[in-house]
Amino acid sequence: NAGVMQNPRHLVRRRGQEARLRCSPMKGHSHVYWYRQLPEEGLKFMVYLQKENIIDESGMPKERFSAEFPKEGPSILRIQQVVRGDSAAYFCASSSSPLAKNIQYFGAGTRLSVL
Amino acid sequence: QQQVKQSPQSLIVQKGGISIINCAYENTAFDYFPWYQQFPGKGPALLIAIRPDVSEKKEGRFTISFNKSAKQFSLHIMDSQPGDSATYFCAASKEHSSNTGKLIFGQGTTLQVKP
Repeated sequence: NAGVMQNPRHLVRRRGQEARLRCSPMKGHSHVYWYRQLPEEGLKFMVYLQKENIIDESGMPKERFSAEFPKEGPSILRIQQVVRGDSAAYFCASSSSPLAKNIQYFGAGTRLSVL
Repeated sequence: QQQVKQSPQSLIVQKGGISIINCAYENTAFDYFPWYQQFPGKGPALLIAIRPDVSEKKEGRFTISFNKSAKQFSLHIMDSQPGDSATYFCAASKEHSSNTGKLIFGQGTTLQVKP
């Protein structure tokens, strides 16, 4: 049973380009969370999605960032017009049910570098 | 506002010693407290978790102590080994089904266990 899969593992973008980060949750998991980890800091919650719905986006920057979790396919975190401050590790986590939302399993992350 | 404060930022322990990492939280609505272990270049892995109905939970060499009145909890690693060298994060969450389950992380502790 594969764990949470994220790709790409490393992504390099120039300022102004778009970054697309993908996350496939664990098999049987329908709850996806995105967190951002800045260098030397803890993880910060960004957004929580269920299939086709954004449930909580209280941690998402208001501009340039968006997330989706379509009926088919992986969850996507999209960053438009990237800036240097977007350089970070982005982690996706999944959980299995409404009663176990807190029990989250993390992927290996995507490390975004903005030049 | 830092809802979960973690200390120390870094810790060096001799092999066989006890590693102790502390966390304090502010929101009394939190009722699920996990610890995650993260190796360089990897995603956080759930290590052990506790709910406030117990004051201690032990799994192998890892023990969580929980003090509800002080709003503090700590991770103890007994007989620390070089393979335990990693970054450890405490977190807190609200487990009730009406909540989103997002995890609020501490800043992390980098543990080095010397042979």
